[in-house]
Amino acid sequence: DTAVSQTPKYLVTQMGNDKSIKCEQNLGHDTMYWYKQDSKKFLKIMFSYNNKELIINETVPNRFSPKSPDKAHLNLHINSLELGDSAVYFCASSPRTSGPSYEQYFGPGTRLTVT
Amino acid sequence: SQKIEQNSEALNIQEGKTATLTCNYTNYSPAYLQWYRQDPGRGPVFLLLIRENEKEKRKERLKVTFDTTLKQSLFHITASQPADSATYLCALENQAGTALIFGKGTTLSVSS
Repeated sequence: DTAVSQTPKYLVTQMGNDKSIKCEQNLGHDTMYWYKQDSKKFLKIMFSYNNKELIINETVPNRFSPKSPDKAHLNLHINSLELGDSAVYFCASSPRTSGPSYEQYFGPGTRLTVT
Repeated sequence: SQKIEQNSEALNIQEGKTATLTCNYTNYSPAYLQWYRQDPGRGPVFLLLIRENEKEKRKERLKVTFDTTLKQSLFHITASQPADSATYLCALENQAGTALIFGKGTTLSVSS
């Protein structure tokens, strides 16, 4: 039973395209996150959603937009893809509703390559 | 702004030895600190969480310490095994308490 799943695992696309990455968690957690891990392996928070409400939004270009149809899903839409968007994107969830003071469960990641 | 440093990018040790990884932070006082393990091509996996009022926490062969005076956490793996080879990430909450900030990680290699 996969706790946090992401699709697709790999995504290769051209500059200027629009793409989406899907994330689902079956843990019943209240908060979900999107992280970006760049080529230097630095893992950085992008967004978090709590009960379908965006509660943080770091300095991320507005070409990136999280969409949560329900508590178990948090999808990431990216418009007008750029070369610098190439990275591994991780979805995560946490049982905590107020702040990440509990452990986070990560998905397997989506490797995005923009050519 | 908050800064997290993991002392070395790579650590090589022999099987059976104790691995010690360091995480230092500056500019604020987090209420807790977490350690994660990441294998190549996989997402991070939670290992341990230690709160500011806890000096030490153990889980099987893992031990974490949290020194709020030194602003440092040490992560120990005793009786290390080749299967312990991975990248270990330290993470702290940000000042707003809304997100985790990760260190760049230390890649541990345990040779048999």
